[in-house]
Amino acid sequence: DAKTTQPPSMDCAEGRAANLPCNHSTISGNEYVYWYRQIHSQGPQYIIHGLKNNETNEMASLIITEDRKSSTLILPHATLRDTAVYYCIVRVVGNQFYFGTGTSLTVIP
Amino acid sequence: EAGVAQSPRYKIIEKRQSVAFWCNPISGHATLYWYQQILGQGPKLLIQFQNNGVVDDSQLPKDRFSAERLKGVDSTLKIQPAKLEDSAVYLCASSLESAGGYTFGSGTRLTVV
Repeated sequence: DAKTTQPPSMDCAEGRAANLPCNHSTISGNEYVYWYRQIHSQGPQYIIHGLKNNETNEMASLIITEDRKSSTLILPHATLRDTAVYYCIVRVVGNQFYFGTGTSLTVIP
Repeated sequence: EAGVAQSPRYKIIEKRQSVAFWCNPISGHATLYWYQQILGQGPKLLIQFQNNGVVDDSQLPKDRFSAERLKGVDSTLKIQPAKLEDSAVYLCASSLESAGGYTFGSGTRLTVV
């Protein structure tokens, strides 16, 4: 079962930062947080992951709270192509990913 | 590097027929996963392979679903006989060893009528 909860949907204006929250209050100390996104009719695409430090790559930033019970994915300048379903996932022992229903992000022109 | 290849891209069958899906993971990726994604839901893990051995198939409906990964490379997922509720996208993913992020294929969209 998914160990995360996310809002079902969000809107963001094009060019603005999109901040997608995720709660994972039962996360264990050695479990990583991963973010994937899925654009219609495609397989999920890796975005970023982290353990306890904030992470940044060319796509996004990941902010993990100090108690690790929640995190936020930040898309710094959202474009129309960022419209997708975003999944926050806790990677459990055995490297298995259990997806929830994700957040459907709509970027508005 | 080449991605995870899946075929066919689409398949329509009648209920009670059988169907098979094929997956070729990224070269060198030892771990392979099959997921089922029903419309409006997140992907659900069906089975995990490490090389040619099954690591976890606890969520695979074994009365009708089967999967194999001969020689630790390609994998096939079979449904026999298919039911209407099997209509979904079947996603294959692979990863290096047993840690790290997955790379997903584009999936096979199955429609059972």
